[in-house]
Amino acid sequence: EVQLVESGGGLVQPGGSLRLSCAASGFTFSSYWMSWVRQAPGKGLEWVANIRQDGSQRYYMDSVKGRFTISRDNAKSSLYLEMNNVRADDTSVYFCARLQWSGELSGFDFWGQGTLVTVSS
Amino acid sequence: DVVMTQSPLSLPVTPGEPASISCRSSQSLLRSNGHHSLDWYLQKPGQSPQLLIYLGSNRASGVPDRFSGSGSGTDFTLKISRVEAEDVGVYYCMQSLQVPWTFGQGTKVEV
Repeated sequence: EVQLVESGGGLVQPGGSLRLSCAASGFTFSSYWMSWVRQAPGKGLEWVANIRQDGSQRYYMDSVKGRFTISRDNAKSSLYLEMNNVRADDTSVYFCARLQWSGELSGFDFWGQGTLVTVSS
Repeated sequence: DVVMTQSPLSLPVTPGEPASISCRSSQSLLRSNGHHSLDWYLQKPGQSPQLLIYLGSNRASGVPDRFSGSGSGTDFTLKISRVEAEDVGVYYCMQSLQVPWTFGQGTKVEV
């Protein structure tokens, strides 16, 4: 059974740092692109970042470029999001999601339960 | 950025009746291979989103056949042939043609 379990969320002050983790199981983690998607309280979904299987390609939404870093450790089947210089508008539930491959990237087929990040003084 | 616009934003439905949601993109989502980079997700109350339709018209694994996706270019539609009570939640379309990937605002479906 595919499982994605996020951790590391919590309360952080503006300008602070936080590292989110996503532990994957039930599939060959190293064979899949992975992503982070967030959702502010009561709001819609927002794509944050993608990372290729070997980490050689990473893509980010504009507002987090230079502040957030997506990474992975295939030996540990884990995905990470390093968040630096956080702002109030980064407050969201952060979901880890697996990207399906059917000849091309084709949707987030599995999602974690999410971890809440609250940026506040 | 590619802007995704859904309508309606709220959709009251009756069990057993059909329902449809529209999603329009600010530019064509057609790839050179003929596929459209458009997915549909459902987020049920209190749950994580789940993939319903990928590449415009392909049902994801385990998704009931009452759900169908269609459309081309910039106009896409998600249809539910006969709504069931378990279909309530917020539906999102998302484009993955161009970074940043972008979602529609969401359509809240209520019985």
